[in-house]
Amino acid sequence: GNSVTQMEGPVTLSEEAFLTINCTYTATGYPSLFWYVQYPGEGLQLLLKATKADDKGSNKGFEATYRKETTSFHLEKGSVQVSDSAVYFCALSDNAGNMLTFGGGTRLMVKP
Amino acid sequence: DAGITQSPRYKITETGRQVTLMCHQTWSHSYMFWYRQDLGHGLRLIYYSAAADITDKGEVPDGYVVSRSKTENFPLTLESATRSQTSVYFCASSDVPRTSGYEQYFGPGTRLTVT
Repeated sequence: GNSVTQMEGPVTLSEEAFLTINCTYTATGYPSLFWYVQYPGEGLQLLLKATKADDKGSNKGFEATYRKETTSFHLEKGSVQVSDSAVYFCALSDNAGNMLTFGGGTRLMVKP
Repeated sequence: DAGITQSPRYKITETGRQVTLMCHQTWSHSYMFWYRQDLGHGLRLIYYSAAADITDKGEVPDGYVVSRSKTENFPLTLESATRSQTSVYFCASSDVPRTSGYEQYFGPGTRLTVT
């Protein structure tokens, strides 16, 4: 079956530091890949997505590239802010697009 | 209000009681989903629905019942609550996946504690 593995957190960074959160996946076929973000006390929001190999998703300074050869979709940001503190989830969709499989989530804490 | 809402936001109940968590969306999305979020497990799908009167099991359906008589509502019932069902429950909705880019929109969650 499908699965998503994320690096365990928490990840603690100083403001303006470079962020990488690793995500690898196992899936049959050609899934779409997503990063969702969950701010404290809220539901999940879509941060970015990529629907085919070599696509780059980007939003709010975050980027992730769909790497089929390494089955990875690592999240990066060049300069994090305190407001980026949240839990980040990597996810993939099944071939029919009906269901998402989530990774365990990575908590990011950014200190001023 | 437009969007997806859940009620109650917080609930404490006793073992063995029946509990229903409500989910309402105003977008007329075809698909609706229920997830539970637990430390160390991320989000796990409980049930989903492709349309009114069509539901199907997800990864962890045991102990839960759903119904969908109207497109906009998707209640989740715990028929006899157990402590292992203490969790945060999220409802989500999505348009027909192939036309929406598979994006799901999440509600704010219900924190359920079973004592």
